[in-house]
Amino acid sequence: SQTIHQWPATLVQPVGSPLSLECTVEGTSNPNLYWYRQAAGRGLQLLFYSVGIGQISSEVPQNLSASRPQDRQFILSSKKLLLSDSGFYLCAFAGTESGANTEAFFGQGTRLTVV
Amino acid sequence: AQSVTQPDIHITVSEGASLELRCNYSYGATPYLFWYVQSPGQGLQLLLKYFSGDTLVQGIKGFEAEFKRSQSSFNLRKPSVHWSDAAEYFCAVGAPNQGGKLIFGQGTELSVKP
Repeated sequence: SQTIHQWPATLVQPVGSPLSLECTVEGTSNPNLYWYRQAAGRGLQLLFYSVGIGQISSEVPQNLSASRPQDRQFILSSKKLLLSDSGFYLCAFAGTESGANTEAFFGQGTRLTVV
Repeated sequence: AQSVTQPDIHITVSEGASLELRCNYSYGATPYLFWYVQSPGQGLQLLLKYFSGDTLVQGIKGFEAEFKRSQSSFNLRKPSVHWSDAAEYFCAVGAPNQGGKLIFGQGTELSVKP
């Protein structure tokens, strides 16, 4: 079965420190991968998506970057965190089987607090 | 511009009462529509989806939603709410074959009174 793992679950980081959040998918090949952020009291905003290894599209300008070093691994990073980077970060994947109308499956999220 | 609007930020219903959560969308093409539920501090779980065909779709946990093209709406309903339904509900719209590239509404927080 298809599963998605995201870690850590919670993270408290000082302003100016680096960030690395990791997401891995199992049970599917060549998935589309996504990073979303959910600010308090708001819906989800798409930050990055990837359709293949090394292929990253950014949806909004920001202090963050994403990488996909392996087919089923998606990493969200920052060199220097800002207070405004605090939020709930969700990784998601969608299958790419030919002809399939697929939906997104989400990880459990990472609560990031920048202090 | 593409957008999703959930007009109700917070709704409170009594246990056993019926529920309707509203969702309106603005999308240039035929949309793919989704409802997700999120428990506090958790990820999102898909309740139901609409791609094409019958405009009334059934989902998990007794939820259903109806796609009304003329009203650009995709409202979520449940005939009898249970206390365990208390959560945040998100409506989302996407393009065909881009299942994860979604535009979300702001969410509706549902509280259930005993």
